[in-house]
Amino acid sequence: QSVLTQPPSVSAAPGQRVTISCSGDSSNIGNNHVSWYQHLPGTAPKLLIYDNNKRPSGIPDRFSGSKSGTSATLGITGLQTGDEADYYCGTWDSSLSVGVFGGGTKLTVI
Amino acid sequence: QVQLVQSGAEVSRPGSSVKVSCKASGGTFSNYAIGWVRQAPGQGLECMGGINPISGIPHYAQKFLGRVTFTADEWTSTAYMELRSLTSEDTAVYFCARIQDGEIRGTLYGYYYYMDVWGKGTTVTVSS
Repeated sequence: QSVLTQPPSVSAAPGQRVTISCSGDSSNIGNNHVSWYQHLPGTAPKLLIYDNNKRPSGIPDRFSGSKSGTSATLGITGLQTGDEADYYCGTWDSSLSVGVFGGGTKLTVI
Repeated sequence: QVQLVQSGAEVSRPGSSVKVSCKASGGTFSNYAIGWVRQAPGQGLECMGGINPISGIPHYAQKFLGRVTFTADEWTSTAYMELRSLTSEDTAVYFCARIQDGEIRGTLYGYYYYMDVWGKGTTVTVSS
């Protein structure tokens, strides 16, 4: 069981917008910043969003992040087939004193 | 730009130990912690913890306490993860990553923590 809760899967058509939710509690998301990662099988995870809503250099503005209370959301607009991947939220858990991830969400672009 | 280069695939017997290395290439990790994340087959990412190479102070996920040790050699810019008493459930890809972390300005307890540079992963197979 992951500390952070994500839907197992989401799907949308090319060009559409999709959101992925991440739910936690006051010991993690509620008081700490959230990050999001894209993971394609056989590759290293890639940082998409950090500090809730900031994008590293090179990440297109189709990707966005937000946080409210103990939940966070990743938004992807203008979906492309290349966006098919697993997406993970992450943060620090102050009670556990370690980083934690959500269980991951598989995005299918249909 | 820093790259993290991990050691090669390992096959280990149940009950034995494995040690995976992670070397910073093109820079050093002097100012950052190094984290370790694993992904078992068909499972999600699991954070094992990390270590500050300068202080040598590690933080471990409770699940691995007593069974894993993180070390770091500042001179060679290399971090190590040793996992002991291996079982088949430890079969996974192990990633190292550079951690960016710290207190959030203007808050009492807020913390930011994310991994921005990743190694390509080391496959560890535990099999008799």
